[in-house]
Amino acid sequence: GENVEQHPSTLSVQEGDSAVIKCTYSDSASNYFPWYKQELGKRPQLIIDIRSNVGEKKDQRIAVTLNKTAKHFSLHITETQPEDSAVYFCASSGGQAGTALIFGKGTTLSVSS
Amino acid sequence: DTAVSQTPKYLVTQMGNDKSIKCEQNLGHDTMYWYKQDSKKFLKIMFSYNNKELIINETVPNRFSPKSPDKAHLNLHINSLELGDSAVYFCASSPRGTGSSGNTIYFGEGSWLTVV
Repeated sequence: GENVEQHPSTLSVQEGDSAVIKCTYSDSASNYFPWYKQELGKRPQLIIDIRSNVGEKKDQRIAVTLNKTAKHFSLHITETQPEDSAVYFCASSGGQAGTALIFGKGTTLSVSS
Repeated sequence: DTAVSQTPKYLVTQMGNDKSIKCEQNLGHDTMYWYKQDSKKFLKIMFSYNNKELIINETVPNRFSPKSPDKAHLNLHINSLELGDSAVYFCASSPRGTGSSGNTIYFGEGSWLTVV
């Protein structure tokens, strides 16, 4: 089945710096790649997603890139703020798992002011 | 109105007990899921239902049994609870079923289960 690897597991940056989180997936049939942000004690919330027919997508300070050939995708956060501190999960779906999301193990992002 | 709601939010119970977590979505979605988040924060799919039909049943002990009385509800029943079952259980839903990927999945607020 699908396997999603996510790196790094922890990331500490200074306010205003950029943060990059990378994921790779194993199922070449996967075609949907969302990113979720989870604050302490809260549910995962979708922050951005990308489909396999698109190479890059931006939403204000957040961008996601997808390289289907290499089977990896990345989350880029620019001008980080303390409120960006949370656990970020990448995920994939559309392959053998159907619509179910297969998650990476998460990245704990800490933004210090 | 909460789109995906699950109850109870917190549950503390003894080993060996049987408990249920209920989930309801008012989004009109066809597909519902149960995810387990362990102490290391890893989110793992347990079950997926499409229009009341079981689609995915990952490697989950038989003590876990999902029940979908209609497409708006997916309940999780756990028999003979063990210490290792302590986790946060998230219900979720998405618009379309198997074969139609690329659907946003919406999560409920989670149910914190502690087995003592």
